[in-house]
Amino acid sequence: DAKTTQPPSMDCAEGRAANLPCNHSTISGNEYVYWYRQIHSQGPQYIIHGLKNNETNEMASLIITEDRKSSTLILPHATLRDTAVYYCIVRVATDSWGKLQFGAGTQVVVTP
Amino acid sequence: GAGVSQSPRYKVAKRGQDVALRCDPISGHVSLFWYQQALGQGPEFLTYFQNEAQLDKSGLPSDRFFAERPEGSVSTLKIQRTQQEDSAVYLCASSYQPGTEAFFGQGTRLTVV
Repeated sequence: DAKTTQPPSMDCAEGRAANLPCNHSTISGNEYVYWYRQIHSQGPQYIIHGLKNNETNEMASLIITEDRKSSTLILPHATLRDTAVYYCIVRVATDSWGKLQFGAGTQVVVTP
Repeated sequence: GAGVSQSPRYKVAKRGQDVALRCDPISGHVSLFWYQQALGQGPEFLTYFQNEAQLDKSGLPSDRFFAERPEGSVSTLKIQRTQQEDSAVYLCASSYQPGTEAFFGQGTRLTVV
């Protein structure tokens, strides 16, 4: 009963943009899309979140389709330190932030 | 401290042994969460505290798992009579308030042999 679907893995060349897709076709109107990443042997780290508008911060950009059934996380200039598992999560805003339903995520490997 | 601190980082337990895992949240953070992460899987929610009150323990897999936060700061996750399937990384996270970003610790890797 996963709420999101992500590819299991993808490679990206250092310095290039990494585009990570996520499908969330059953998303509800009051659910946000969150992205986290987990570098090896570390805890998950928050990246960005959005409801329906595109969002950008110092780490990444989030593009959400108009029907909100899918989204793309964009790392504009991937570095070797961006190698990690990336998780796309949908969450009702009123839920406690820390109660998150992670899936298996996408293993991103950035190569020189 | 600067972040969420967990100890020990690694724990090896013999099957049937009891273990206690400690989490020191960021100072002043009201909310505290425990997660279990099996090898190759995403983290799975175990339980949630707001101050000393355990508001949600729906993710605890069995009555062998017990968590406490008696003074609303440090939390301990206890696993009794450990089994091999308990082998996982146990992650702790804290947030200033329920509606604010949660920060994760590095986790404790438990191996039951």
